[in-house]
Amino acid sequence: AQSVTQLDSHVSVSEGTPVLLRCNYSSSYSPSLFWYVQHPNKGLQLLLKYTSAATLVKGINGFEAEFKKSETSFHLTKPSAHMSDAAEYFCVVTPRGFQKLVFGTGTRLLVSP
Amino acid sequence: EAGVAQSPRYKIIEKRQSVAFWCNPISGHATLYWYQQILGQGPKLLIQFQNNGVVDDSQLPKDRFSAERLKGVDSTLKIQPAKLEDSAVYLCASSLDAEGEAFFGQGTRLTVV
Repeated sequence: AQSVTQLDSHVSVSEGTPVLLRCNYSSSYSPSLFWYVQHPNKGLQLLLKYTSAATLVKGINGFEAEFKKSETSFHLTKPSAHMSDAAEYFCVVTPRGFQKLVFGTGTRLLVSP
Repeated sequence: EAGVAQSPRYKIIEKRQSVAFWCNPISGHATLYWYQQILGQGPKLLIQFQNNGVVDDSQLPKDRFSAERLKGVDSTLKIQPAKLEDSAVYLCASSLDAEGEAFFGQGTRLTVV
């Protein structure tokens, strides 16, 4: 079975400071991992995905994530937060080759001026 | 490119009433998903269609929920009768195939009173 644990329900940062959203996964199979973002009253949008290539994955809007098999982690980072980054972020796991997305509980990112 | 369309955006009903949601996926997408997102939780897969056939409905409460995808395009999700715990956002998503990126609609927010 696949699952993800998002270690923080809320993260608060100041504009211009680094962002770190933590995610640990559990998977019986070689997983694919994703980060999705959900802005208020908008649909979920894919930020980035890891399938099996490079362990450091770059996504949209300056976000990136590193797949660490030894730590079963897939943390999301961004060097400098922007006000528009304030949203809910979901870490997602799925067995490779099969699009059954299993979502974490989400981390709300708050960005203050 | 038009995205995934869902209607209505909001719905308020009394418990024991019935309700239906509609989804129009991105043109050409063979795979369609319905997710339930309860407040404070990540989305949970209810049902997955491949064209007009059901691939996975293991988490669909079949005593009250039903879904269909006639002609392999549009889909409807129905709840009859609704319970208070069905209050949630119902998300529709589609992908080219079972391994492709899933694109999400804005969702239908259901409130059962």
